[in-house]
Amino acid sequence: GENVEQHPSTLSVQEGDSAVIKCTYSDSASNYFPWYKQELGKRPQLIIDIRSNVGEKKDQRIAVTLNKTAKHFSLHITETQPEDSAVYFCAAKEDSWGKFQFGAGTQVVVTP
Amino acid sequence: DTAVSQTPKYLVTQMGNDKSIKCEQNLGHDTMYWYKQDSKKFLKIMFSYNNKELIINETVPNRFSPKSPDKAHLNLHINSLELGDSAVYFCASSQVGLNTGELFFGEGSRLTVL
Repeated sequence: GENVEQHPSTLSVQEGDSAVIKCTYSDSASNYFPWYKQELGKRPQLIIDIRSNVGEKKDQRIAVTLNKTAKHFSLHITETQPEDSAVYFCAAKEDSWGKFQFGAGTQVVVTP
Repeated sequence: DTAVSQTPKYLVTQMGNDKSIKCEQNLGHDTMYWYKQDSKKFLKIMFSYNNKELIINETVPNRFSPKSPDKAHLNLHINSLELGDSAVYFCASSQVGLNTGELFFGEGSRLTVL
């Protein structure tokens, strides 16, 4: 089955700096890669996703890149703000009946 | 309107008791899930139902029994609760198919077993 590894487990950045979180997956059939943000005490919520036919996707200060050959995908947050502090999860899924397999999460702390 | 709602939000109970958590989604999705999030924040899938049929059943003790009376509801019953069952349980839903969509999570049910 799918196995998703996520690094780092914790990330401290100064406000205004960039944050990068990396994930690798094992199942070459995976073709959907969402990223979820979970604030303290809240539910995980989708912030950006990418499909295997695309190499990069941007949405304002966040971007995701995908390297299908290397089975890597990454989340980039630019100009970080204190409200970006949260746990971020990457996930991989094969279309149809495949399950969403989550990475272990990255605790991001943005210090003013 | 809450898209995925689960009750109760908090549950404190004694070891050995039986408890249930209910989940409902009003998004018209065909697939629902139960995830367990432990103290280390890891999101582990437990079960998935598609149109009331069980499609994913991870290695979960058989004290956990999901039930889906219709595709908008997925309940979780836990027998003989143990200390290690303490966690936040998230219900989620999505529409599977050719273009798998977003996974929508409920607010979570925090279970504390004493």
